[in-house]
Amino acid sequence: ETGVTQTPRHLVMGMTNKKSLKCEQHLGHNAMYWYKQSAKKPLELMFVYSLEERVENNSVPSRFSPECPNSSHLFLHLHTLQPEDSALYLCASSQDRVFTEAFFGQGTRLTVV
Amino acid sequence: GIQVEQSPPDLILQEGANSTLRCNFSDSVNNLQWFHQNPWGQLINLFYIPSGTKQNGRLSATTVATERYSLLYISSSQTTDSGVYFCAVVGETSGSRLTFGEGTQLTVNP
Repeated sequence: ETGVTQTPRHLVMGMTNKKSLKCEQHLGHNAMYWYKQSAKKPLELMFVYSLEERVENNSVPSRFSPECPNSSHLFLHLHTLQPEDSALYLCASSQDRVFTEAFFGQGTRLTVV
Repeated sequence: GIQVEQSPPDLILQEGANSTLRCNFSDSVNNLQWFHQNPWGQLINLFYIPSGTKQNGRLSATTVATERYSLLYISSSQTTDSGVYFCAVVGETSGSRLTFGEGTQLTVNP
């Protein structure tokens, strides 16, 4: 069992669909993150949650909606996406937001058609 | 925000060779990590090394925080070392933002 688990691993969705990505961490960490990795680009931070409160939103369009119901679970709700949103979405967690090591899940490879 | 530059962007080696990957950053950091991204996309933690030197098997890393760079050494490379190596930092003024470099694409040929 990995420390950070993401589901699904692959997702194909139409532009009018609504879907959700799920992330679960088994490390007892207090901070969780969503990152986006597009082809040929560095990883980009999308959202940061600390103790279930959103503490950072990196100018992400509203068609991406995060949810953190508890410190172990993080969701990314998707609706009305565009083809350019196709990317690898990575979840991460860390004990605190600044000074400790971050661990990543396997990622969800999203294709918007 | 803090800038992270990695070099070289691409590196091709024969199995058994040694290599050094470099990460330069533009500001003081609270956190520095090295990752290996495998072909399936997962980021594997290699080192958490905001300063000093660490070794793990054939890999070692050194961060000289005062000079704003970190080095990742790979010795006796194997084909399974292929993939992208990322350096990521949290700058002292970056809040909780882990900023990634563009990575080094390493290919190890048999």
